[in-house]
Amino acid sequence: AQSVAQPEDQVNVAEGNPLTVKCTYSVSGNPYLFWYVQYPNRGLQFLLKYITGDNLVKGSYGFEAEFNKSQTSFHLKKPSALVSDSALYFCAVRDWTGGYNKLIFGAGTRLAVHP
Amino acid sequence: EADIYQTPRYLVIGTGKKITLECSQTMGHDKMYWYQQDPGMELHLIHYSYGVNSTEKGDLSSESTVSRIRTEHFPLTLESARPSHTSQYLCASRRTGPADTQYFGPGTRLTVL
Repeated sequence: AQSVAQPEDQVNVAEGNPLTVKCTYSVSGNPYLFWYVQYPNRGLQFLLKYITGDNLVKGSYGFEAEFNKSQTSFHLKKPSALVSDSALYFCAVRDWTGGYNKLIFGAGTRLAVHP
Repeated sequence: EADIYQTPRYLVIGTGKKITLECSQTMGHDKMYWYQQDPGMELHLIHYSYGVNSTEKGDLSSESTVSRIRTEHFPLTLESARPSHTSQYLCASRRTGPADTQYFGPGTRLTVL
């Protein structure tokens, strides 16, 4: 079965520093990978996705993610963190097993950006 | 922002009450989903629908039920709410293709006393 792992429960970054939120995946076949962000008391907002093509995917709010097939990773990055980036981040992979098509989400990583 | 709406945003009710959480989208999406989100963050799929008159249970067993009489509307009902139902409920929708993005509503935070 497809799965994703977010190995860090929380990431702490100083404002202005680069940030990375890690995600690794396990799939059979080519993965469709997604990143979402969730602010307090809100739903999930789509940031970016990798389907095919260029391994570096650019998304909303200055975020980007790099697809690395050999390391089965899809880490989310931003060159310069803002305090307003503090939120929950979820990685997800499309799953076709079990007779239906759905997203498998990681457990989430809480990003805290300190002034 | 995606055109997917949930009401109410917050609900506090007593045990034994029947409740319906509303979800609607104006994007014409065929596929719709309900997730339950723990206080500790994890998302669990509890129901999904591939179109009108199609509903299926998700990965996490839930006492709630859903219906899909119209494409744009996917309400979730709890016949008799209990404190164990206290959670955040998120509705989502997307088009048909596997590469299509799934969009989420703002969520309903339910508290059962």
